[in-house]
Amino acid sequence: QITLKESGPTLVKPTQTLTLTCTFSGFSLNTSRVAVGWIRQPPGEALECLALIYWNDDKRYSPSLQSRLTITKDTSKNQVVLTMTNMDPVDTATYYCAHSVYDFWSGYYFDYWGQGTLVTVSS
Amino acid sequence: QSVLTQPPSASGTPGQRVTISCSGSSSNFGSYYIYWYQQFPGTAPKLLIYRSNQRPSGVPDRFSGSKSGTSASLSISGLRSEDEADYYCAAWDDSLRVFGGGTKLTVL
Repeated sequence: QITLKESGPTLVKPTQTLTLTCTFSGFSLNTSRVAVGWIRQPPGEALECLALIYWNDDKRYSPSLQSRLTITKDTSKNQVVLTMTNMDPVDTATYYCAHSVYDFWSGYYFDYWGQGTLVTVSS
Repeated sequence: QSVLTQPPSASGTPGQRVTISCSGSSSNFGSYYIYWYQQFPGTAPKLLIYRSNQRPSGVPDRFSGSKSGTSASLSISGLRSEDEADYYCAAWDDSLRVFGGGTKLTVL
């Protein structure tokens, strides 16, 4: 059974760096064609994929946020960490991590999601 | 501005058939399957349709998907009150997952 859970601060101040941890079970990030991604959703708005880290440690970032994002993995702890620098109130959102698998005609798609964690950016 | 385009809202009465559209471009629709997610308020999205028209185990066959060119659609037949939710389409584009803006389905 695949499960994922996000953890991190619920409140950060503008200009601070956000660090979120995704702790997962039921799969290994050493397995070929497996990835973990971070997706966010501002209140009342749409989903936005932020970053993906692949089984081989390859990484992909949202072009609009690439300069602010870093994604890393610790396979021994079954964790993926996302850092986002220079936080702004517009970054207030629910942040989800999700399990992803590769399909030749789909790319990497998300099939299992964490419950999400709401991060508010305010002074 | 989302990469994929969906109508912001849709509605129907119980028992009706409702269709939600999703459009994109050749870079995301051209060679790839489309995925659909269902999201209830305060909860995480749930995979509803994969590979454009396949249902994961447990998803009722009232839900179906299709894709043609740079458009896709999600159809819900025999609409039920519990189908009231937000629906998102998703595709693969330039090595990242992209989503539609979401459609809020209201069951009247």
